[in-house]
Amino acid sequence: EAGVAQSPRYKIIEKRQSVAFWCNPISGHATLYWYQQILGQGPKLLIQFQNNGVVDDSQLPKDRFSAERLKGVDSTLKIQPAKLEDSAVYLCASSPGSLHGYTFGSGTRLTVV
Amino acid sequence: AQSVTQPDIHITVSEGASLELRCNYSYGATPYLFWYVQSPGQGLQLLLKYFSGDTLVQGIKGFEAEFKRSQSSFNLRKPSVHWSDAAEYFCAVGPKAAGNKLTFGGGTRVLVKP
Repeated sequence: EAGVAQSPRYKIIEKRQSVAFWCNPISGHATLYWYQQILGQGPKLLIQFQNNGVVDDSQLPKDRFSAERLKGVDSTLKIQPAKLEDSAVYLCASSPGSLHGYTFGSGTRLTVV
Repeated sequence: AQSVTQPDIHITVSEGASLELRCNYSYGATPYLFWYVQSPGQGLQLLLKYFSGDTLVQGIKGFEAEFKRSQSSFNLRKPSVHWSDAAEYFCAVGPKAAGNKLTFGGGTRVLVKP
């Protein structure tokens, strides 16, 4: 079974630029999550999708972050404009609908300079 | 609101010695409990999880964890540490009911001395 795929692995941008991350979950997994992991901290949930609908985006800074999951499969997380404090690893995870089978991708490391 | 506390930010242990990482949680009911490991530049790998049943859970790489309801704890242990165990370890909790999102602790970085 293929895992959760994320790209790019690394990204360096200047502040005020925009950036997008892509996630392809495990086939058949209805639930998709985006987490932000700042260096030295545990991951923090940004947004949770169930199929193509948003379940929880209470921790998503909506003035600059947006996410979508068209057709209930792949997902894209965008930051526009980026700030220095957005430097972090962005992790995507998927599950079949419960915490059984919850799987993380390798993440995208973003550096904002 | 639920929270997870890992009291030890860093732990240094000699190779071959035993390791115990502490995890305490605050939750409305007994949640699902997880331990993940993250090597530098890598994603999160699941070590073990507790959903129900036997409170002593065996995981991969020789790790085990014990759920203690009375102490709201889920400590991770390994009897003999290998140099490859140097990494960051995260405890996480998730609801048994709807929601299915994980709340993570701040992590414990383990350094292994030769």
